[in-house]
Formats: sequence, structure tokens, C-alpha cells
Amino acid sequence: GQQLNQSPQSMFIQEGEDVSMNCTSSSIFNTWLWYKQDPGEGPVLLIALYKAGELTSNGRLTAQFGITRKDSFLNISASIPSDVGIYFCAGQLDQFYFGTGTSLTVIP
Amino acid sequence: EPEVTQTPSHQVTQMGQEVILRCVPISNHLYFYWYRQILGQKVEFLVSFYNNEISEKSEIFDDQFSVERPDGSNFTLKIRSTKLEDSAMYFCASSEAAHGDTQYFGPGTRLTVL
Repeated sequence: GQQLNQSPQSMFIQEGEDVSMNCTSSSIFNTWLWYKQDPGEGPVLLIALYKAGELTSNGRLTAQFGITRKDSFLNISASIPSDVGIYFCAGQLDQFYFGTGTSLTVIP
Repeated sequence: EPEVTQTPSHQVTQMGQEVILRCVPISNHLYFYWYRQILGQKVEFLVSFYNNEISEKSEIFDDQFSVERPDGSNFTLKIRSTKLEDSAMYFCASSEAAHGDTQYFGPGTRLTVL
């Protein structure tokens, strides 16, 4: 299947800091999605991107669909403790392929 | 807000037994999906379903797996003869349209095969 490389694998940050994570692939995708998953729960959609170059915000979250259509990034500004969780990117081609996840820990 | 629901939340079964995982997708959605996530690993696509038939499936979705929409609301995943390596979280998702449309996930069923 398609490989989505997500980095960093884990992050430990202080509350109030900004966070940046990204997802890259050797394949072109038509759609990029970013999900957050809390332990024992299903992924929850954060942001959906449908066009190359698209930059979309959802509160403190901002994500961009890379111009090459092979990458996307997610930024979280002014992190808070409830931002803790695992963040997954997902790219859609014939089906959705998920990245390996970025585990975020926010230290109060 | 409409949401995808799944039952049971946790299923424990003996190896070789059949299990059926149930999902109720969002009511106006037409496309349905099953994913699994082995503990500590990424979410993996299993199958997509539209108009009462499978539209895509991954190499994981072998003859042990089947899906069904037995009525207007439920969408089920059956594993005929469970193996230890089937232990995982199974997520159902639904979307209004197909390619590129946002998929909304259920809370998952944790399957433990002993």
C-alpha cells in the first residue's frame, strides 16, 4: 500500500508553544485529512483539504495541502493540555491511507 | 450532531469463533468503510461499501471477512474464524459521497481474540 511518512513521531512541548507536524508521500493524493485520536477512541476529523495549495484553519489549527500534492502540514498554535493525543494524517487516492501518527504531549 | 455509532465497544472471543461487529452510519451517508488499528500502530483500511456491494478492499480483507448492510441502518463486519492477530480496534466510518469526501469515524470496537 501507499506509505505516508509522518514526522515527528512524538513531541513533548510546553503549554503555550506552537506545534508543527507534517506528512509526506511519494504518491500524489487528491485529498488530505488530519485526525486526532485520544486513547481508546476513534479518530476525530480536524481539518479536510481538497485542493493543492489550500490553507485551512480551524480555531488554533492550520493545515495546508502541499503544492506538489505529496505533502501536508498541520500547525497548532498556543498549545493547551487537551491537545494531547495522537495526530494522524490521511491521504486519499483510491482509498484513504493513514500516516503513522505523531504523539503529542503537552506539559502544563 | 449526527454521529457514527458502533457496538459492542469491547468484544472478547476465543480463537476460531465468529464475530460480528456492528455499526450505524450517519443516516444520510451512502458510503461505508471499515478500518482496523492494531494496538500502537496506524489505522489500516479494510473495505469500502456502496450500493450494497464492496467497492474497494485491501489485502487484509481476505475470505475470513465479510460485510453486510442487513437493513436500512446497520452495517456489519463479520470475521468467520478469528485468529489471534485479528485482535485490534475496528473502526467504522461513513461519508456522504465517495472519492475525496470526508469520512466520519465511529468510536470503535476493541476486539480481543484469546
